Amino acid sequence: GAVVSQHPSRVICKSGTSVKIECRSLDFQATTMFWYRQFPKQSLMLMATSNEGSKATYEQGVEKDKFLINHASLTLSTLTVTSAHPEDSSFYICSALGQGIDEQFFGPGTRLTVL
Amino acid sequence: AQTVTQSQPEMSVQEAETVTLSCTYDTSESDYYLFWYKQPPSRQMILVIRQEAYKQQNATENRFSVNFQKAAKSFSLKISDSQLGDAAMYFCAQEGSNYQLIWGAGTKLIIKP
Repeated sequence: GAVVSQHPSRVICKSGTSVKIECRSLDFQATTMFWYRQFPKQSLMLMATSNEGSKATYEQGVEKDKFLINHASLTLSTLTVTSAHPEDSSFYICSALGQGIDEQFFGPGTRLTVL
Repeated sequence: AQTVTQSQPEMSVQEAETVTLSCTYDTSESDYYLFWYKQPPSRQMILVIRQEAYKQQNATENRFSVNFQKAAKSFSLKISDSQLGDAAMYFCAQEGSNYQLIWGAGTKLIIKP
């Protein structure tokens, strides 16, 4: 199957700083990327959907000014957590969907810890 | 709103036995995809099996098969000859109209040696 990478895999930051997480499709062009948040022992919660070259669509309750999503190319989407606070600590997962492909491919996730 | 329900928070099965994980969903769409994903302790989401709603034949992938009942909106996963490596969280998901996935709460599968 196709490969999606995420970087970094783990990040620890101080409260008030910003953190950028990258999601890359390594061997296919991702027309759509999804960003999820997963709390311990819970399911995935969709945060936003991003299509290459256009603004992301955020789910209800997700602050778009806090979670900035950029999908500038067909192989890269970034999620920036701005002014991070301890409650933003979570596991963030991206997935990518290619044109004509009926399956989303998932990145390995990023564990964010805000001190 | 589309919803996916997994009513079994945890299931356990003896190694080499068969286990069935339940999933029901609610949608007004006529054609859609349904998925079962596995999330091991590494937390990497792995696609186990998928079913397109217009196909009546139940999908099968080696030891994994589904019982898809469209009228009842039921999509259960059967794992035959359970192996220790099958231990994981299993999530049922339905694809929405914008290709987003709607997830169930998950079932933790424990394999007893």
